[in-house]
Amino acid sequence: EAEVAQSPRYKITEKSQAVAFWCDPISGHATLYWYRQILGQGPELLVQFQDESVVDDSQLPKDRFSAERLKGVDSTLKIQPAELGDSAMYLCASSPPTGRDEQYFGPGTRLTVT
Amino acid sequence: AQKITQTQPGMFVQEKEAVTLDCTYDTSDPSYGLFWYKQPSSGEMIFLIYQGSYDQQNATEGRYSLNFQKARKSANLVISASQLGDSAMYFCAMREKGTYKYIFGTGTRLKVLA
Repeated sequence: EAEVAQSPRYKITEKSQAVAFWCDPISGHATLYWYRQILGQGPELLVQFQDESVVDDSQLPKDRFSAERLKGVDSTLKIQPAELGDSAMYLCASSPPTGRDEQYFGPGTRLTVT
Repeated sequence: AQKITQTQPGMFVQEKEAVTLDCTYDTSDPSYGLFWYKQPSSGEMIFLIYQGSYDQQNATEGRYSLNFQKARKSANLVISASQLGDSAMYFCAMREKGTYKYIFGTGTRLKVLA
């Protein structure tokens, strides 16, 4: 069964350092999403791609966060510099071209900033 | 403004009983999709069920059904014949077709008792 892949699964970094997360969506899924989920809360959408184009990045803190999906397949989310408040789970999801926009999620990357 | 409200932070249900998880939403977009996702303690978000705003019938997927009341802007999830493996966080979500906005509620933690 096809799955969304994410790496690393866990990341510990010091504040002010740079950190990057990688996501490979399910083959054939043109829509890709990055979410941040703080423990005990619902996911918050950071950025959405349709192929290689950004559809929505209104909630992305652009002074420190960046995201790219250069060839419209896999994607990277970067934080530079990391802050203590960035500690969270970062989830990647993709949607098939069904028109429903249901999302299939990867296992996530748990980030701890010390 | 787009909003999802889940008023039940936690619910208990006896094994083999049915349970209803509440979700209300607000949107000005006439075209939207409503979703329920399950997040077990392992962390991975799992898509359960979808309801389109123009769908005439309530959605069903196995033991899951969505009680869609458009005039009341509610989209409650009904789980029939609860199983121990149903213990998890459940999130209601909405996608506006016009703005591509995708938001999640705060979740309901369900505990199934043996």
